[in-house]
Amino acid sequence: QTVVTQEPSFSVSPGGTVTLTCGLSSGSVSTNSFPSWYQQTPGQAPRTLIYTTNTLSSGVPDRFSGSILGNKAALTITGAQADDESDYYCVLYMGSGISLFGGGTKLTVL
Amino acid sequence: QVTLRESGPALVKPTQTLTLTCTFSGFSLSTSRMCVTWIRQPPGKALEWLARIDWDDDKYYSTSLKTRLTISKDTSKNQVVLTMTNMDPVDTATYYCARIRSGSYFFDSWGQGTLVTVSS
Repeated sequence: QTVVTQEPSFSVSPGGTVTLTCGLSSGSVSTNSFPSWYQQTPGQAPRTLIYTTNTLSSGVPDRFSGSILGNKAALTITGAQADDESDYYCVLYMGSGISLFGGGTKLTVL
Repeated sequence: QVTLRESGPALVKPTQTLTLTCTFSGFSLSTSRMCVTWIRQPPGKALEWLARIDWDDDKYYSTSLKTRLTISKDTSKNQVVLTMTNMDPVDTATYYCARIRSGSYFFDSWGQGTLVTVSS
């Protein structure tokens, strides 16, 4: 069974740049996977950040960006801020109506 | 403005069937490309996609849970219902519904979620 992989945790300094990735246990991620990214803070519903690889959701600061890096989808935060400390989830479309979440990355800003 | 709200029991017993309702506004499930999906998140764990229903009544289920899930819609009431049979304590989670548009494959609006605890 295919698994969507994410780094369990990552750390970035305030003002720094960090790239989180989203891969597949077998195969490559491409734009045909329609990767999307969500931010979640404790006790809150997820917030949509990026969709169809690199489209910024309404109201999301442009320090967030999405791309394909090699065989993975990537979320880059440029100029990280303290309130970017959250859990980040990617979702890939697997075809036949099915979507899969990654295991999430816990981002620490310190 | 699109809103979604989940409702259902906060507590169910093992082996029981869970029924959750997603009531939404700001769009219609009779409109082409509109879809509603269910997602859950056990405490402290990752999000998990469960099921999706489309405007044309196509239905899709998680491979690992499809034998236990049924999704349906009542377009006149702007509601989507998810049932999950044979509940187990490992199904304790916050259950979310979200809107998705066919062809874009991302969740553009989310409900606030409802916590369901499975315990005897």
